[in-house]
Amino acid sequence: DTGVSQDPRHKITKRGQNVTFRCDPISEHNRLYWYRQTLGQGPEFLTYFQNEAQLEKSRLLSDRFSAERPKGSFSTLEIQRTEQGDSAMYLCASSFSGSTAGELFFGEGSRLTVL
Amino acid sequence: GENVEQHPSTLSVQEGDSAVIKCTYSDSASNYFPWYKQELGKRPQLIIDIRSNVGEKKDQRIAVTLNKTAKHFSLHITETQPEDSAVYFCAAPRPNFGNEKLTFGTGTRLTIIP
Repeated sequence: DTGVSQDPRHKITKRGQNVTFRCDPISEHNRLYWYRQTLGQGPEFLTYFQNEAQLEKSRLLSDRFSAERPKGSFSTLEIQRTEQGDSAMYLCASSFSGSTAGELFFGEGSRLTVL
Repeated sequence: GENVEQHPSTLSVQEGDSAVIKCTYSDSASNYFPWYKQELGKRPQLIIDIRSNVGEKKDQRIAVTLNKTAKHFSLHITETQPEDSAVYFCAAPRPNFGNEKLTFGTGTRLTIIP
């Protein structure tokens, strides 16, 4: 499968622990996005990268959240000192900035449960 | 920023009938409107999109219409089939931007009754 892949698919952690999610985008895509989705809601934008540069962060992304894309390929999203309100599906997506189609290709997501 | 409202939140239709889902957006400068389908436990996938230079776009049983004056756009699915059952999300970008930051609607859970 050459689509967007995310790891782990599921993570259960205790409040206060740190978690890290990884996203591998489609190889030729230079843009990478993180979204968060809670039950019954649409995806909410968190941040996006063009190549290795993080160009925008949502106000939803508190200081406990950090995202990186060090070589412009895969990305990691780390949540420090997790809280129960962080429980959600974290979706990664990628796209190619040269495309006029505008399509985001999503991964299957990483579901976080904070106990 | 962009506000996107989507209605209805749930929709049940008999197989073979049509389904219509509507979204409104707040910023008249927005120019790109995609629709994503998310099956249970699966990733969201783009099914159709429309740009503001056209009023309608069709792809087999799926169509999207755009009314820029009223700032709303709709998804139409004709001859519905069981595999159309899913959650559908509309989205709109920040004005004058592309897909860098989409605001999604809250979703419509469509159930096709056999």
